[in-house]
Amino acid sequence: GAVVSQHPSRVICKSGTSVKIECRSLDFQATTMFWYRQFPKKSLMLMATSNEGSKATYEQGVEKDKFLINHASLTLSTLTVTSAHPEDSSFYICSASRGLAGGHEQFFGPGTRLTVL
Amino acid sequence: RKEVEQDPGPFNVPEGATVAFNCTYSNSASQSFFWYRQDCRKEPKLLMSVYSSGNEDGRFTAQLNRASQYISLLIRDSKLSDSATYLCVVPPMTTDSWGKLQFGAGTQVVVTP
Repeated sequence: GAVVSQHPSRVICKSGTSVKIECRSLDFQATTMFWYRQFPKKSLMLMATSNEGSKATYEQGVEKDKFLINHASLTLSTLTVTSAHPEDSSFYICSASRGLAGGHEQFFGPGTRLTVL
Repeated sequence: RKEVEQDPGPFNVPEGATVAFNCTYSNSASQSFFWYRQDCRKEPKLLMSVYSSGNEDGRFTAQLNRASQYISLLIRDSKLSDSATYLCVVPPMTTDSWGKLQFGAGTQVVVTP
């Protein structure tokens, strides 16, 4: 149980295009989903916290108009990188939590590797 | 001082040997800790949780030293498949930061034949 999927797993796009990444909890309802970014040999950096039916909470330094997050249901959250540029190339990982009852345990998706040319 | 700090390594370990490494944390009020394992270009996967003095799961032992504010991970009888980056994770203590895990940069372990 507690499987999280991400789609696509890899995407290569031209500078200026927008890219949407989906994160789904397959066998549980995720009250909260988190979006992380990881650069090579660096730690995971939390970008935003997404709660179903409400606006996402962005971490300091993360542009909310650049990284659009939609959490339309208890099993789906999407991250859209708008007008992507080469510096947005990174490994984007989502995670999902079952809520307070599940404590701090988060289940991670397999990640999406974005390359912007 | 970073909230969570780890020795990046790499720790090169002969197969069958024991390796141990630490993670220091800055918030003395932290109550729970996690070790995640991350393989190259993959997502992190939970390895162990540490809520009191320590935890043991097979060849893996995690210990907590509250006085010195660090947790350690020890791997006995290392296998080639143990090669990975081990991430130390400390949950925040404030309710408005619920779920915002603090990740260390990771310690790379390379087990060699």
